[in-house]
Amino acid sequence: EVQLVESGGGLVQPGGPLRLSCAASGFTFSKYYMHWVRQAPGEGLVWLSRISSDGNSTNYADSVKGRFTISRDNSKNTLYLQMNSLRAEDTAVYYCARDQGYCLGSGCYSEDYFDYWGQGALVTVSS
Amino acid sequence: DIQMTQSPSSLSASVGDRVTITCRASQSITKYLNWYQQKPGRAPKLLIFGVSTLQTGVPSRFSGSGSGTDFTLTISSLHPEDFATYFCQQSHSAPFNFGQGTKVDIK
Repeated sequence: EVQLVESGGGLVQPGGPLRLSCAASGFTFSKYYMHWVRQAPGEGLVWLSRISSDGNSTNYADSVKGRFTISRDNSKNTLYLQMNSLRAEDTAVYYCARDQGYCLGSGCYSEDYFDYWGQGALVTVSS
Repeated sequence: DIQMTQSPSSLSASVGDRVTITCRASQSITKYLNWYQQKPGRAPKLLIFGVSTLQTGVPSRFSGSGSGTDFTLTISSLHPEDFATYFCQQSHSAPFNFGQGTKVDIK
């Protein structure tokens, strides 16, 4: 069974850092692109970032570019989101999500839609 | 960036009703349109990808159509468990934006 479990959320002061983790199990983590998506209280879904299966390629939404860093450790089946210079408007539930991509002999590829999601980690930015 | 606009933002319906939600992209996304269902306090669930392909396990009362910039999600006969918020999402190009959501509640 595919499972994604986020951790690391909590209360942080404006300007501070926080790192989220997403532990993956039930599938071959190293073969899948992964994403982070967030949802502010009562609001819609916002895509934040994508990382390739091998970790060598990343993409970011403009709202977090330069402040957030996505990374992964395929030996630990774990995805990360390092968040710096946090603002009140970053307050949200953060989801990690698996890309329903595929692998061929030449490599692994993204589909850029999300077939499995974690339960979410709440990040609150407030003094 | 490609902007996604859903309508309506909310609707009230009864069990058994046929429900249609529309999603419009700010530019052509050809077939790269996906739909999710989200219930309160839960993570989103993938319903449909590539405009019309049902994810495994999704009931056949859900269907999707469209191409280019205009898309629809249809629930042919609303079941009690379908009361939720629905989001479209484009997978044509980064950033992979979502629509603002359509909340389907009980009339």
